[in-house]
Amino acid sequence: GDSVTQMEGPVTLSEEAFLTINCTYTATGYPSLFWYVQYPGEGLQLLLKATKADDKGSNKGFEATYRKETTSFHLEKGSVQVSDSAVYFCALSALDTGRRALTFGSGTRLQVQP
Amino acid sequence: AAGVIQSPRHLIKEKRETATLKCYPIPRHDTVYWYQQGPGQDPQFLISFYEKMQSDKGSIPDRFSAQQFSDYHSELNMSSLELGDSALYFCASSGGTHRNNEQFFGPGTRLTVL
Repeated sequence: GDSVTQMEGPVTLSEEAFLTINCTYTATGYPSLFWYVQYPGEGLQLLLKATKADDKGSNKGFEATYRKETTSFHLEKGSVQVSDSAVYFCALSALDTGRRALTFGSGTRLQVQP
Repeated sequence: AAGVIQSPRHLIKEKRETATLKCYPIPRHDTVYWYQQGPGQDPQFLISFYEKMQSDKGSIPDRFSAQQFSDYHSELNMSSLELGDSALYFCASSGGTHRNNEQFFGPGTRLTVL
């Protein structure tokens, strides 16, 4: 079945540091890829998405590029802030196989220190 | 903009009791998804509905059932509750102009089984 693998956390960075959270996937079809963010005590918010190979999703300084050849969708940000501290989930859905539900990775907790 | 509404936000039940969780999707969204997120875990897909019909089924226990009503709101019914059912239950909706399956999540219902 479909699966998503994320780097384990927590990831601890100083403010203004560069962030990379690795995400790779396995899918039988041609999935859409997503990054969701969950702040403490809150629900999941869509951060960015990409629906086809070489698409780059971006939002709030975060970017991720859909790499079909390496089955990856790594999340990056050039300069993190304390307010970025949250849990980040990589996810996929494979519309072409009929499975519209999201399959999530295990989540990566980011802690940004001032 | 209107978001996904879930009620109640918090629920405390005893073992073997029943619980009903409600979800009100974003207006004009025709698809509802239910996810369960255990403590420190990633969200796991339970079940989804499209146009009031069950469209997909994930890891939903037989003790749980759900339906989508004519006004598109959905209810998740949980019976014979067990301690392991304690989790955050998310509802997400999609549809309308978001045909690429972008799912919008509600704030979740935190269920505690004592």
